[in-house]
Amino acid sequence: NAGVTQTPKFQVLKTGQSMTLQCAQDMNHEYMSWYRQDPGMGLRLIHYSVGAGITDQGEVPNGYNVSRSTTEDFPLRLLSAAPSQTSVYFCASSPTSTGQEGELFFGEGSRLTVL
Amino acid sequence: SQQGEEDPQALSIQEGENATMNCSYKTSINNLQWYRQNSGRGLVHLILIRSNEREKHSGRLRVTLDTSKKSSSLLITASRAADTASYFCATGKGGGKLIFGQGTELSVKP
Repeated sequence: NAGVTQTPKFQVLKTGQSMTLQCAQDMNHEYMSWYRQDPGMGLRLIHYSVGAGITDQGEVPNGYNVSRSTTEDFPLRLLSAAPSQTSVYFCASSPTSTGQEGELFFGEGSRLTVL
Repeated sequence: SQQGEEDPQALSIQEGENATMNCSYKTSINNLQWYRQNSGRGLVHLILIRSNEREKHSGRLRVTLDTSKKSSSLLITASRAADTASYFCATGKGGGKLIFGQGTELSVKP
């Protein structure tokens, strides 16, 4: 099993550009989520999904869209990139329905810079 | 707003010493988890303690939970240089929102 795979690992965007961060897991996990990590802010929840076709907002959803058409994939879309979205993005999955009764499995992160 | 807040923000100790990190949270929880993050890597799950548990052990790790004080502590005994990492607590109260604290940066010097 590859676990949680995030692509790309590094990306530089210009303000106003859009892009999609990909996340795929091969563990048949129901729960998937996206976090951003900024210095001094810890990890903040952007969006999460408790199953295919179900998504919900986290703490900082503005400027991001998600969809969950399959169990395996949970892409994060930046609609119009802003410098404030410069961050490291982590995707995580869990075998439990809400991600809270068991461990989260994290990807290695996607480092995004918006100029 | 952050649910969990770790204390201290940074901790530097010598190999062989014990390291204690604390986490405080604001609202009732179902469970609390601790994660480790090595520099430049993703987070790795260490241990989960449920709201009806007071203490849990895993190898050199000991976690306590005091729901009356809304706080938890992570103790790493006989620390090693390889324990150098950031440590995060995470709390969940239902519905899928697992909220992380800001983390404690631990440095273990050989």
